Amino acid sequence: EVQLVQSGAEVKKPGESLRISCKASGYRFTYYWISWVRQMPGKGLEWMGRIDPSDSYTNYSPSFQGHVTISADKSISTAYLQWSSLKASDTAMYYCARRSSSSKNWLDPWGQGTLVTVSS
Amino acid sequence: DIQMTQSPSSLSASVGDRVTITCRASQNISNYLNWYQQKPGKAPKLLIYAASSLQSGVPSRFSGSGSGTDFTLTISSLQPEDFATYYCQQTYTTLSLTFGGGTKVEI
Repeated sequence: EVQLVQSGAEVKKPGESLRISCKASGYRFTYYWISWVRQMPGKGLEWMGRIDPSDSYTNYSPSFQGHVTISADKSISTAYLQWSSLKASDTAMYYCARRSSSSKNWLDPWGQGTLVTVSS
Repeated sequence: DIQMTQSPSSLSASVGDRVTITCRASQNISNYLNWYQQKPGKAPKLLIYAASSLQSGVPSRFSGSGSGTDFTLTISSLQPEDFATYYCQQTYTTLSLTFGGGTKVEI
């Protein structure tokens, strides 16, 4: 079974750093890109960026470029999303999702989500 | 960026109703359009890909249509488990995927 399992909820203070993870199983990790999606409380879905685990090539939505870093460790089939200095506005649910091998790029499956709360 | 506009933003319907949700792209995206369902407290789930292809395991009462800039998600006979929020997503520009604002389907 193809699965993405994300790390647990985090509570952080503004200015702190954070890395959350997304562990893949049930398929060849390096064959499929991983995307990250943000969902702020009560709001819609926002695509943040993606990584190709085979070579760690990344690209980001302009809205998130420079604010987060996406990385991957193919030896443990895990993708990461990290912040160097969190803000209260980073409070949200974050999902990872696998991009299809098709050129149509749909996202499936999704991880269960990681809730990040940033508060002083 | 390509903008995706969904309508309505919310709707009220009853079990057994036929429900239609529309999604409009700010430019031609061919059939690079996917639909997701999200229930409260859960991750989104893929329903339809490439505008009209039903994801494996998704009930046949869900269907998608459209091409170019205008797309539709139809639920032919609404079931209790279909009350959720639905999102469209364009994947025409692979360097910047965008979602619609969502449509909440309520009782």
